Amino acid sequence: EAQVTQNPRYLITVTGKKLTVTCSQNMNHEYMSWYRQDPGLGLRQIYYSMNVEVTDKGDVPEGYKVSRKEKRNFPLILESPSPNQTSLYFCASSDPDRAADTQYFGPGTRLTVL
Amino acid sequence: QKEVEQNSGPLSVPEGAIASLNCTYSDRGSQSFFWYRQYSGKSPELIMSIYSNGDKEDGRFTAQLNKASQYVSLLIRDSQPSDSATYLCAVDTGGFKTIFGAGTRLFVKA
Repeated sequence: EAQVTQNPRYLITVTGKKLTVTCSQNMNHEYMSWYRQDPGLGLRQIYYSMNVEVTDKGDVPEGYKVSRKEKRNFPLILESPSPNQTSLYFCASSDPDRAADTQYFGPGTRLTVL
Repeated sequence: QKEVEQNSGPLSVPEGAIASLNCTYSDRGSQSFFWYRQYSGKSPELIMSIYSNGDKEDGRFTAQLNKASQYVSLLIRDSQPSDSATYLCAVDTGGFKTIFGAGTRLFVKA
């Protein structure tokens, strides 16, 4: 089954404790992206990756890091989480050559930073 | 700052009616436009994409694009209670950067 998976689905942590949210897709997509979703603000792009070892900042990259060492994986790293990073996070992937930028979203990770 | 604006709603329509959802965008260079549906607690799923001016129909859904007015709309005919969700307008501004609107909540009353 074609899908994007994220782990963990729910996470409660404390300020300053480094964490990683994993994202994996099995569709051989080149493009992957991370978004956060907050009430009234919609989805905002954090980082995106056009291919292995190629990443770039979205609209709200501060406080986040990403890496793309393999095509299927695109982890989101919070080196020192703060309460304003409490949000719902989505990973997405697409293959622009086939689906004209149609993005497939993972199930989401609800993060709470105390 | 590139923006995508949507009326947050809620938009309430009776079952069987036409629901009309609207979206405006600020970047004139945008080429690709999308409507995603998001049920409460779920991830967004694509329902329509449109790339050229005019109408595009897919079943009960019609997307309309007017690049001169920087306006995108989604019409849902014969609305069903199962259409109740938040509808997100998304615009690809080029270079793999996608801007989403905040979404319009739609309620279809049985």
